Amino acid sequence: DSGVTQTPKHLITATGQRVTLRCSPRSGDLSVYWYQQSLDQGLQFLIQYYNGEERAKGNILERFSAQQFPDLHSELNLSSLELGDSALYFCASSAHTRGSEQFFGPGTRLTVL
Amino acid sequence: QQPVQSPQAVILREGEDAVINCSSSKALYSVHWYRQKHGEAPVFLMILLKGGEQKGHEKISASFNEKKQQSSLYLTASQLSYSGTYFCGTEDRDDKIIFGKGTRLHILP
Repeated sequence: DSGVTQTPKHLITATGQRVTLRCSPRSGDLSVYWYQQSLDQGLQFLIQYYNGEERAKGNILERFSAQQFPDLHSELNLSSLELGDSALYFCASSAHTRGSEQFFGPGTRLTVL
Repeated sequence: QQPVQSPQAVILREGEDAVINCSSSKALYSVHWYRQKHGEAPVFLMILLKGGEQKGHEKISASFNEKKQQSSLYLTASQLSYSGTYFCGTEDRDDKIIFGKGTRLHILP
């Protein structure tokens, strides 16, 4: 158990819908990262937050947005969902930013029908 | 830019050694290594930082050539539990960690 929690574990929805994925980092970790992993694909970096502020951005679609709240939990919002958005979404946390090991949550499996 | 990992896949017998390579075209601050088993989350193995500092598990060894932006992960006397997909992640000055496509390792008894 990494100490990072993600909810829900599974999510099935229809195209065009909007969903919110939630992540709680390890106690004391200030950084939260979001990754997308499609079937047999690597980990695609989406976005990073550090202590409530956006720190780095990857190839995150405009339909996707995220935020980190004062209690350091984070939410990833996915809207106007398409079939291609079906994937495993991981959240990871680390104590700091640069040079810190990341601890991954169990992931949320999103299926868009 | 995404780092390039090689080989893409490797099959070993228990007890054999393996080397997984990772190279980047960008100047790097650090290289991260993670292992992911099927259906599970990636698990941290090691970080190699610019300047020579390393943080990771005692049984894992790796190298980082800063000039060539290359890193190698060394798996010696492999065990069945080593099976999985190994990802290297390269971190540049923008603080983003970009992961390679992974190397699938399968250990046979």
